[in-house]
This record gives sequence, structure tokens and C-alpha cells, in this order.
Amino acid sequence: KQEVTQIPAALSVPEGENLVLNCSFTDSAIYNLQWFRQDPGKGLTSLLLIQSSQREQTSGRLNASLDKSSGRSTLYIAASQPGDSATYLCAVRRAGGTSYGKLTFGQGTILTVHP
Amino acid sequence: DAGVIQSPRHEVTEMGQEVTLRCKPISGHDYLFWYRQTMMRGLELLIYFNNNVPIDDSGMPEDRFSAKMPNASFSTLKIQPSEPRDSAVYFCASIGTAIGNTIYFGEGSWLTVV
Repeated sequence: KQEVTQIPAALSVPEGENLVLNCSFTDSAIYNLQWFRQDPGKGLTSLLLIQSSQREQTSGRLNASLDKSSGRSTLYIAASQPGDSATYLCAVRRAGGTSYGKLTFGQGTILTVHP
Repeated sequence: DAGVIQSPRHEVTEMGQEVTLRCKPISGHDYLFWYRQTMMRGLELLIYFNNNVPIDDSGMPEDRFSAKMPNASFSTLKIQPSEPRDSAVYFCASIGTAIGNTIYFGEGSWLTVV
């Protein structure tokens, strides 16, 4: 059974800092990995998607890396801003088998960026 | 496209009542997922459909929960009878594998059972 763990559970940083969020998964047979952002009282918004054959993806100040063999992904946020405050979740999509398409989520990292 | 549309956005109901949550996926998407989110357990997959066919319902907690997808543009999640421990946010999401692999979530249905 796939398990996804995110560290740290919560993070509070001053504006302008570069920061790293970590995600690890137990089963490396994944199709892809996604990072999401969830604002309070809202749904999830996909930030970055990395296919299993890729090593990283970038979008603006965000960079996500994937090391499938070791079961790890990191989300790097450069020059953090108060507007980045949200919960960040990673999710892996299983490859093959009868559960193709099934997503397993981590518990999330609650990020607070203070001015 | 308007995205994944869920209704109702908020519902408060009494224990024992039937609850029906509705979802309209993004047009052209072939996968539809129902998730439940609670503080204690995080996001849990309840059931998902591929081309309107249920593929994996192993996350459905009890027989009180049922889900249907009568056509490509509509799905329901029903709880009968509802219990206070069913209080959670229920998300619907969809993926269009021919378009890309990004999953799109609705805004959620916030259910409180008193």
C-alpha cells in the first residue's frame, strides 16, 4: 500500500526566504507526482506535475524535483511571499495494475510566510 | 470551461437523513474521483470512475455510501443514513487522459451532520 509522507507538517518563514518542502513515498511504481496548493476553505489547485520519467519541473518561482528510485520529491519555492501562505500537498499516481489513476496524498505542509 | 462543479457547496443535515452530493466534471474528461478530507485523516479517495464505470470503490467507508455516474457529465455521492462522523469536505475531481494528466478539483461540498 502506497504511503506518502510530507515534512515538515508546518513551516513559518519571513518573506523573501527560499524554502524546501519534502515529500516521500513508499512505492516507486508511480505514473506521476503532483504538487498542489490548497487555500483555506477552497479546493486544490495543481501547481506542478512531474511524470515518472522526468527529474524536475519549473513554474515561475516554483521548482519540483523527483527522485523516483529513492521515493522522494521536493518543492522549492524561491523568494517566498505572504501570498504563498497555504497548505501544500503532494500526491502520487500509481502506474499500471487495476488501480491505474488512483492518487495517494500526503497530509500536507502548512506554510505561513509573514511580512 | 467552468471547471469541476460541485453542489451543494455547504450542507447541514440531521443525523439519519439522506445526503446527495453532485458533481459535473470537466467536459471531455474520462476519469472522475470522489475524495473526502478531514483534519484527522487528510484526503482519502473514496471511489473513482473511468468512462462512467466504477473502477475502485475500496475507499468507500461503509454500505451507507454509494456513488453513481449515469453519464459522462454527472456523478452523485449519496450517504444514507448520514452520521455525525460523516462530517467532512467532499471533493470531486476529474482527469482527461487524452488532454493531459493534470487532475482538476472542484471547490468541495462542506457537509456537517448534527
